Amino acid sequence: GQQVMQIPQYQHVQEGEDFTTYCNSSTTLSNIQWYKQRPGGHPVFLIQLVKSGEVKKQKRLTFQFGEAKKNSSLHITATQTTDVGTYFCAGGDYKLSFGAGTTVTVRA
Amino acid sequence: NAGVTQTPKFQVLKTGQSMTLQCAQDMNHNSMYWYRQDPGMGLRLIYYSASEGTTDKGEVPNGYNVSRLNKREFSLRLESAAPSQTSVYFCASSTGTALGYTFGSGTRLTVV
Repeated sequence: GQQVMQIPQYQHVQEGEDFTTYCNSSTTLSNIQWYKQRPGGHPVFLIQLVKSGEVKKQKRLTFQFGEAKKNSSLHITATQTTDVGTYFCAGGDYKLSFGAGTTVTVRA
Repeated sequence: NAGVTQTPKFQVLKTGQSMTLQCAQDMNHNSMYWYRQDPGMGLRLIYYSASEGTTDKGEVPNGYNVSRLNKREFSLRLESAAPSQTSVYFCASSTGTALGYTFGSGTRLTVV
């Protein structure tokens, strides 16, 4: 079955620095979605990417879908304490397969 | 407030006990899902319902049953709880067109 893998599992970032988290699939994806889960909370939908090579931005967050539609990345610039949480990528059509997530902590 | 409502929020069961987790959405979504979340393993799909009247197994269905009672409600039943079912359970819904899932706030279940 489809597998979605994320790296790194943990990301410790100094406030103000940039970082990137990566998502890789064993199969070609029709689309990829990103979610954020705050500590103790539930996943919240951030964005969906559909087209090969697509790049979308949300303020300091930049999402990219690979040309082969088998990988994706999330880049956060100028990290803030509000960015703390776990970021999940997920792929699939009518049922999503989630990666294990990247848990982000921020040092003030 | 519009969204996905899960009950209960917390539950402790003894091994062998049964219980039903309730989920309801008021967004007129066709599809509903049950996931479990365990540390380091992300979200794993237990069962889903693509539309009212249909249910299908996900990645980890053993030990669970589901009922799509109507378009709004999708319940998850543990017939004989086991410690391995200790987890956080999330219900989610979507329009079915891959425009993002809306998750409930979760049920934290401990089986002792």
